[in-house]
Amino acid sequence: GNSVTQMEGPVTLSEEAFLTINCTYTATGYPSLFWYVQYPGEGLQLLLKATKADDKGSNKGFEATYRKETTSFHLEKGSVQVSDSAVYFCALSDSGGTSYGKLTFGQGTILTVHP
Amino acid sequence: KAGVTQTPRYLIKTRGQQVTLSCSPISGHRSVSWYQQTPGQGLQFLFEYFSETQRNKGNFPGRFSGRQFSNSRSEMNVSTLELGDSALYLCASSTSAEETQYFGPGTRLLVL
Repeated sequence: GNSVTQMEGPVTLSEEAFLTINCTYTATGYPSLFWYVQYPGEGLQLLLKATKADDKGSNKGFEATYRKETTSFHLEKGSVQVSDSAVYFCALSDSGGTSYGKLTFGQGTILTVHP
Repeated sequence: KAGVTQTPRYLIKTRGQQVTLSCSPISGHRSVSWYQQTPGQGLQFLFEYFSETQRNKGNFPGRFSGRQFSNSRSEMNVSTLELGDSALYLCASSTSAEETQYFGPGTRLLVL
């Protein structure tokens, strides 16, 4: 079946530091890949997505590139802010066959940014 | 456009009771998916509905059920609650199963 593995956290950074959160996946088909962010006490917000190999998703300074050869979708940001502190989830959607409407999530990475 | 709404936001129940959670999707979205989020198991898929039909179901016991109405609003029901059912229940909507899912704020259920 499908699976997503995220780097173990938590991750603690100083403001303006460079961020990388690793994500690798296993899928039987040709999945779409997503990063979602969850702030305390809230639901998930879509951060960015990529639907095919070599696509780059970007939003609010965050970027991730769909790498089929390494089955990866690593999240990066050049300069983090305190307001980026949240939990980040990598997810895939493989809507073929019996996977209708199902997102498979990684375990989440807690990011804390200090001033 | 209004986002996904879920009611109630918080709920406290006791073991053995049942509970019904509601989800109103973004206008025009016909697919609704439900997820359970717990610290131990993370985010797990419960089921997906499209045009009032359940098309996919996760690996949860039969105590967990759902339905979708003609206006695409969805409900999920958990019967005979157990302590382990304490979780954040999230619903997400999309135009179809193949499209991006947008999440609601969740319903936090505490079972005592």
